[in-house]
Amino acid sequence: QSVLTQPPSASGTPGQRVTISCSGNSSNIGNNYVYWYQQLPGAAPKLLIYRSTQRPSGVPDRFSGSQSGTSASLAISGLRSEDEADYSCAAWDDNLSGPVFGGGTKLTVL
Amino acid sequence: QITLKESGPTLVEPTQTLTLTCTFSGFSLSTSGVGVGWIRQPPGKALEWLALIYWDDDKRYSPSLRSRLTITKDTSKNQVVLTMTNMDPVDKATYFCARKPPVTAAGDYYFDSWGQGTLVTVSS
Repeated sequence: QSVLTQPPSASGTPGQRVTISCSGNSSNIGNNYVYWYQQLPGAAPKLLIYRSTQRPSGVPDRFSGSQSGTSASLAISGLRSEDEADYSCAAWDDNLSGPVFGGGTKLTVL
Repeated sequence: QITLKESGPTLVEPTQTLTLTCTFSGFSLSTSGVGVGWIRQPPGKALEWLALIYWDDDKRYSPSLRSRLTITKDTSKNQVVLTMTNMDPVDKATYFCARKPPVTAAGDYYFDSWGQGTLVTVSS
């Protein structure tokens, strides 16, 4: 059972916009930034969103992050086949004094 | 270009100690605010943070695994070593090392570069 809760799966067709949610509590998302990682099949995680809404250099602006209260979302617009991957959220947890991760959401591009 | 690479045994026996080495390039662990951490991922499961060492040798551990973990660094060799004692089959996972960049805000905690990971199986 992960500290942060994500739906196990999501799907969309090419060109669509999909969102992936991440739910936490006041000790993590409610009081700290949220991060999103993309993990292509068999690959290492790649930082996709940092400080809740910022994109590292090289990440397309099709990817965007938002945060409200104890929840956060990752939105992917103009869905492409290469977006098929696992997406995990993360945040610092004040009570655990460490970073916590979501269980991951497997995105399928139909 | 920042790169990190994990190395160590792919198979350990139950109760043994696992020693993993992270060798990195493209940054220095003597730079203020930089850290290197270890994160693992059991097959088909979520990522789990294990430990992190900062540029100033400050060390942080996952509360649930603290008693079994030790993290050290060799700045001159650009290496970080993680040891985990008393390995159990449930510890089977891909173990990643990753760089934590310098940040200014408390609670701003993320990894911006990751190694490819190494799969460790625990079996007799």
